This record gives sequence, structure tokens and C-alpha cells, in this order.
Amino acid sequence: DSGVTQTPKHLITATGQRVTLRCSPRSGDLSVYWYQQSLDQGLQFLIQYYNGEERAKGNILERFSAQQFPDLHSELNLSSLELGDSALYFCASSALTGGSPLHFGNGTRLTVT
Amino acid sequence: AQTVTQSQPEMSVQEAETVTLSCTYDTSESDYYLFWYKQPPSRQMILVIRQEAYKQQNATENRFSVNFQKAAKSFSLKISDSQLGDAAMYFCAYRSAGRQGGSEKLVFGKGTKLTVNP
Repeated sequence: DSGVTQTPKHLITATGQRVTLRCSPRSGDLSVYWYQQSLDQGLQFLIQYYNGEERAKGNILERFSAQQFPDLHSELNLSSLELGDSALYFCASSALTGGSPLHFGNGTRLTVT
Repeated sequence: AQTVTQSQPEMSVQEAETVTLSCTYDTSESDYYLFWYKQPPSRQMILVIRQEAYKQQNATENRFSVNFQKAAKSFSLKISDSQLGDAAMYFCAYRSAGRQGGSEKLVFGKGTKLTVNP
């Protein structure tokens, strides 16, 4: 158990809809990362938050947004969903120092129909 | 920007044998960390091993060890006495030390799918 909790595990929705993915980091970790893994693909970095502030942005679409709350949990909002957004979305947390590994949640499987 | 390359999309090994997965990376930084993650069919991301770039000694975790060649920017993973449970996708990843204000995100390679044959 990594200590990172993601909900829901599975999400099925229709094109054009909006969904929210939730992540609770490991106790003590201030940094949260979101990654997208499409079928048979590697992990693409979307965005990083540290202690409530956005710290780095990757290949995140304008239709996607995220935030980290004072209790350090994070939410990833995906809107105007398209078929191509179907993927496994991972949240990870870590201490800020580079030597600390990222600990991953079990992911949210999003299917857009 | 840093990049990570895994040149072997698939590898196979006989149970109890040894296999080496390759990884190269490109960076202009001198201070960074390297990781191998395992993703079994359950799709969990599991940390296998970590290497600090400023340490010359290769990291070892039980049956897993790395061959870290900093000058060559190479970071291979050796799995000894392979077990059926080792079958998974293996991802090599790079992480900046972040001392110059950069992001501490992990940059992943595309992965190597390892099959273990009984």
C-alpha cells in the first residue's frame, strides 16, 4: 500500500461531460503529481502542486485543470471530455526533495463513450 | 528537457535466469536521481530501485540491481533469479534534484514489457 488514495477507481462517462478525480497524498507529503497513461503508453506528466501552489505544468490540456486544497488533497477536473481522454490517471505524492521517490495511487480508469 | 529512452519494447526470460533491461537518458544536469518502477497487470506503479547520481556505487535491492554509468548516461536494471511474479512492464524514470528551481517531476521512458517463461 503506497499510502496514496485515489477515487473513484473507475469512471465511465459520455463525451462532452465533466468529471472530477480525487487524490489524497501520503501523510506528510506536500507535493502531488498527476499523470496520464493511455493504452499501452508510458506515463505523461500533467501537473504538479506543492503545498497548495502549482509548481510545474506538463502536457495538460486547457480542458483539464487541477488544484490542491489546504488539507493537501488534490482534484483533477476534466471537462468537455473526448474519446481520446480515455486513460488511466495516476496521482502520486512525494516529499519535495529530488531523492524522494514518487509514491503512486492505484489510478482512476476513465472511459469516455 | 530531460528524456529517457528504453530501447527494448519487450523482453523475455526463463524462470530462475537473469535478465537485463536497458535505459539511457539525456540531461545537462549533474545532480539527479534515477528510478525503476514496475507495473504489473494490476496497473499499480511499484518502486523497484533508486539510484543517486552522485553515488558511484550501484544500488541493489534483493534480486534487483542496477548498472549505473554516469558518463554514458546509462542505467540498466538486472533481475536475477527471475520469478513469475516479475512479469510486468518496467519503466525507467529520471528526476531532477531540483536545486535550480526546476520541477521534481519524474520523466518516464516508454517501458519494457518483461515476460517470464516457466
